[in-house]
Amino acid sequence: GAGVSQSPRYKVAKRGQDVALRCDPISGHVSLFWYQQALGQGPEFLTYFQNEAQLDKSGLPSDRFFAERPEGSVSTLKIQRTQQEDSAVYLCASSSTGTGTQYFGPGTRLTVL
Amino acid sequence: AQSVAQPEDQVNVAEGNPLTVKCTYSVSGNPYLFWYVQYPNRGLQFLLKYITGDNLVKGSYGFEAEFNKSQTSFHLKKPSALVSDSALYFCAVRDFGNTGGFKTIFGAGTRLFVKA
Repeated sequence: GAGVSQSPRYKVAKRGQDVALRCDPISGHVSLFWYQQALGQGPEFLTYFQNEAQLDKSGLPSDRFFAERPEGSVSTLKIQRTQQEDSAVYLCASSSTGTGTQYFGPGTRLTVL
Repeated sequence: AQSVAQPEDQVNVAEGNPLTVKCTYSVSGNPYLFWYVQYPNRGLQFLLKYITGDNLVKGSYGFEAEFNKSQTSFHLKKPSALVSDSALYFCAVRDFGNTGGFKTIFGAGTRLFVKA
C-alpha cells in the first residue's frame, strides 16, 4: 500500500515568508508525528497528533511554528516569518497507534535564503 | 532526561565482514529502542525494535540488535555486510516520561561505508 507522502519535496523561501508543508499519512493511521532534521543531525521531535488532537507540541521551537490535522488525516506544518535557522528537512511519520512503529515520509527540504 | 548516544560518526567495513554500529541510551524506566536507516533523498526506514522479551532482536535486511540492560546498549549488527548497506543509521529511544511515550529521541547518526 501507499506510504507516507510529503509535499513539496523541496521548498525555497525568502526570509520572512510563510511556508506550509503537507503530510499525507498512511491510510488509517491515527498517530502522526513531525520532526525537524538539521544537516548532519538526527531528527528532532516537533509535535504529535492522535487523530485530530495535538497531544504534544513540546518540540515546536517557537510560536512561529504551527501544526494542524483538522480531520485526523492530512496534516500541515506551517512556519510563519521563516528564518535562516529554519532551514532543515522536515519529516512526517505515522503509526497505527501512539506507541507503534513509525513510518516516515521522504521529507521536505526547506531552504530559507 | 532520555538520551541516545552513537559514539561513532562513521564506520568502515569490508564487504562480507561483520559490522557493528554502536548505540547507548539513558532512560528512566524500561526502554523502547529502535534502529532506522536513511538512504540519500529518502525518509527513514524502520529496521527493528526492542520492547521486551529476547535481548537479541532480528529485523529487516539481515540486521539484528542486542539489548544489554547492564551496559545500557543496543548495538546494531549484521554478520556479513553488503555494499548496499552503506547508509546513515539512527538509533532511537521512546520517551515515556511526561510526554506519555509519544516523543522519540534520535541519536546523531552513524554513517556506514561498506567497501567492495
